[in-house]
Amino acid sequence: QSALTQPPSASGSPGQSVTISCTGTSSDVGAYDYVSWYQHHPGKAPKLIIYEVNKRPSGVPDRFSGSILGNKAALTITGAQADDESDYHCVLYMGSGIWVFGGGTKLTVL
Amino acid sequence: QVQLMQSGAEVRMPGASVSLSCKASGYSFTNNYIHWVRQAPGQGPEWMGLIIPIGGTTIYAQQFQGRLTITRLTSASTVYMQLNSLTSEDTAIYYCSRDAGYCSGSACYPAKNFDYWGQGTLITVSS
Repeated sequence: QSALTQPPSASGSPGQSVTISCTGTSSDVGAYDYVSWYQHHPGKAPKLIIYEVNKRPSGVPDRFSGSILGNKAALTITGAQADDESDYHCVLYMGSGIWVFGGGTKLTVL
Repeated sequence: QVQLMQSGAEVRMPGASVSLSCKASGYSFTNNYIHWVRQAPGQGPEWMGLIIPIGGTTIYAQQFQGRLTITRLTSASTVYMQLNSLTSEDTAIYYCSRDAGYCSGSACYPAKNFDYWGQGTLITVSS
């Protein structure tokens, strides 16, 4: 199973909206609703920020949102903050015990 | 609070095996699946497998079939991951993570996402 495709990097200024994409195919992203997103500061444990495409766990700020259109899932940070500078990974559960990760996107807020 | 505490870094020679541990605390150990995920330098994460603590059932990613074994010791709330026949390509940070779903009695309802993660364990394979 091929990895999902994420841009290696993304950037934005504080207060701007930033969107990170996670592209698959009609057989994966386009077929399943179990897309989740994780924020990962190097050296720390990853943190779940979006699950089932667009749901936020308790405690995650509402500036984080998720969406899906066709074969592309997206994470949007509305009003990015300096603390949001991190690596972001998408993950898809495809059933039958198969999870597929994206390659990760390094977000810079400058 | 929920915590997953992993064992420390290891260095192995090619061809050797490595065993890592992941001790869970702050919740009922048998209630949630535990996954292993690894991230090699410069690459995206890779899902390796999972264990259902309540019965010990395991599921492994196809690329690890035959050389990955995940076990658990319920009395110690600990999951173990053993990887055999190591090569330099196994050099990575290995994470355990908890599925956000739950098990009740003999029925399990996985959430298909990972709500808590360990701190990661660096495995270096080098001659």
